[in-house]
Order: sequence, then structure tokens, then C-alpha cells
Amino acid sequence: DVKVTQSSRYLVKRTGEKVFLECVQDMDHENMFWYRQDPGLGLRLIYFSYDVKMKEKGDIPEGYSVSREKKERFSLILESASTNQTSMYLCASSFRAGRAWTTEAFFGQGTRLTVV
Amino acid sequence: DQQVKQNSPSLSVQEGRISILNCDYTNSMFDYFLWYKKYPAEGPTFLISISSIKDKNEDGRFTVFLNKSAKHLSLHIVPSQPGDSAVYFCAAIIHGSSNTGKLIFGQGTTLQVKP
Repeated sequence: DVKVTQSSRYLVKRTGEKVFLECVQDMDHENMFWYRQDPGLGLRLIYFSYDVKMKEKGDIPEGYSVSREKKERFSLILESASTNQTSMYLCASSFRAGRAWTTEAFFGQGTRLTVV
Repeated sequence: DQQVKQNSPSLSVQEGRISILNCDYTNSMFDYFLWYKKYPAEGPTFLISISSIKDKNEDGRFTVFLNKSAKHLSLHIVPSQPGDSAVYFCAAIIHGSSNTGKLIFGQGTTLQVKP
């Protein structure tokens, strides 16, 4: 059974804290993604990784960094959390385009982060 | 710049009727399109997809239509059921071994199906 697991469902952090969101997939996918979902704005891509140690900025990378040391794990780091980073964070993974035609992404259950 | 756009934030239909969700895109290099469904407090789940070499793909009550010349796709749900009430996201991707497969999403449309 396909699985993308995010480490926390709900998280409350203080302004200025360093926050780590972890995501693990068990499908041997090359691609992993971090999105945030906000009302009226849809799913906005923060960062994308297409291989171990490889990353690409998405549409809204400011204030975030990522780490991909192993194929199955992709971490999102909020260097200094701010209240405007309160959001639903979604991790996803997929095969790299070219390896498989159906490159649908599978999502984790999401992490609702509140920064106070 | 929003490459995938869903211009209708919400849609309300009666149970048993047809729901039509629309999506427009600007990048002519997109060659594969997907629809996802999302319930509150859950991750999106894949619903249906279509390759750019086709103009229609059907799966049960769900049909996706693609008009490449207009850079427009739509999702039809017939008949609509109350359990279909959710947020629907359109997404697009560029294939090819030289491309990594970055998935770009639209803003989403909230569908409400009334009993």
C-alpha cells in the first residue's frame, strides 16, 4: 500500500523557533515535494527535490529550507517561524518523469502548523 | 505567475445533477493533467488524469475533457453525490526524461453537492 507519512498532524510553535517538518515515503519515488495550502491560494509549491541532495525552489521558498539526505526522507525547515507561516503543510512524492508515465503524486495527511 | 488557474472558487449543485469544474493553463509544454480531491484535514487524493494526446478520459462517474487549443480542461461528475463535496484541484506536469516532473497545482474549487 502506497504511503507518505508526515511526522505530525498538528503542531504549535512560537515565533522565532526553528521548526522541522518530516516526511517519509516508502514507494522508492525520486521526487518529493513540499506544498502549503491556504484558503483561496490553493497548493503552492515551496520546494521540490528530484533526487538525494538535489533540490529546486518552488513558488514560495522564502523563509524555508529543505534537506534530502536519503531517498525516502524529505525535511522542511522553517529557519525562524513567523505567524504568516501558519498553514497546512503537505508533503507528496512521485516517480521522476521519464521513469514512469503515470507520475501522479501521492500525498501525506498534512501537518497543520500554528505559529503563535 | 499562475500557470494553472481555477477561476471558480466554489460551485454548488443538486444531488443527481452534473458538476462541471474548470481549469485553464498557460504553459503549452504541459503534457499531462491530473485532478485531485481533498477533504478537510486530509491530504489530496488522485482522482483522474489525462494525457495531452487525448481529449477525453472517463472513469465511472468522472470524465475529464481536454481542449489543447484553448488550454482548457474540465472535470465532469455525473451524477453528483453528497460525498463528492470537497475541494478539487487541477494539476499539470511536463514529462520527458529531461524533465523531473514538477507538479503545478491550481487554486482549487470547492464543490458542494446538496441532497
